[in-house]
Amino acid sequence: GAVVSQHPSWVICKSGTSVKIECRSLDFQATTMFWYRQFPKQSLMLMATSNEGSKATYEQGVEKDKFLINHASLTLSTLTVTSAHPEDSSFYICSAIKTGLMNTEAFFGQGTRLTVV
Amino acid sequence: KNQVEQSPQSLIILEGKNCTLQCNYTVSPFSNLRWYKQDTGRGPVSLTIMTFSENTKSNGRYTATLDADTKQSSLHITASQLSDSASYICVVGASSASKIIFGSGTRLSIRP
Repeated sequence: GAVVSQHPSWVICKSGTSVKIECRSLDFQATTMFWYRQFPKQSLMLMATSNEGSKATYEQGVEKDKFLINHASLTLSTLTVTSAHPEDSSFYICSAIKTGLMNTEAFFGQGTRLTVV
Repeated sequence: KNQVEQSPQSLIILEGKNCTLQCNYTVSPFSNLRWYKQDTGRGPVSLTIMTFSENTKSNGRYTATLDADTKQSSLHITASQLSDSASYICVVGASSASKIIFGSGTRLSIRP
């Protein structure tokens, strides 16, 4: 199956600093990637839809200036948490969409555990 | 409007019991439906994928069904184990416009 690599798998940063998370589709091109956040014991919450070559579409309540998304190539999308605060500590997951002639499927990254201290 | 709705939102059952999770969708034109299991702190892992012509697919103690007429799918878990505690996500793909629609998931907790 297709592989999506997310890096780093975990990160600890100081409050006020910025953290970049990468999502790469290793063996397919993805014009669309999704970014999710998950708090303990809760389901995935869609943050934004990342579209290659254009601006990301953010879900209601997600600050676009705080969560910067860049999808500059067909295999890479990045999520930058700017001026991170302890309340941003969460599990962040990306998924990349593989489009075929007959099928469209989503493949998930392994997730990134962010802890802001 | 393309939507995927999962129920229940959360479920608690005793170890050894069976349970069924539901996924209703309005995605059109339908291409495929995939069930994922997500353990806490990990990325989702695919359990089954079903296309229009498939009614049932099993993966160990997990059995997914699909009724393309009523646009409903279910995931049945047999003889639940503590390790089944996870979120289960239903994802439906459309065959045009390259759309993928995610359900909000069902949080399943297995109690000893």
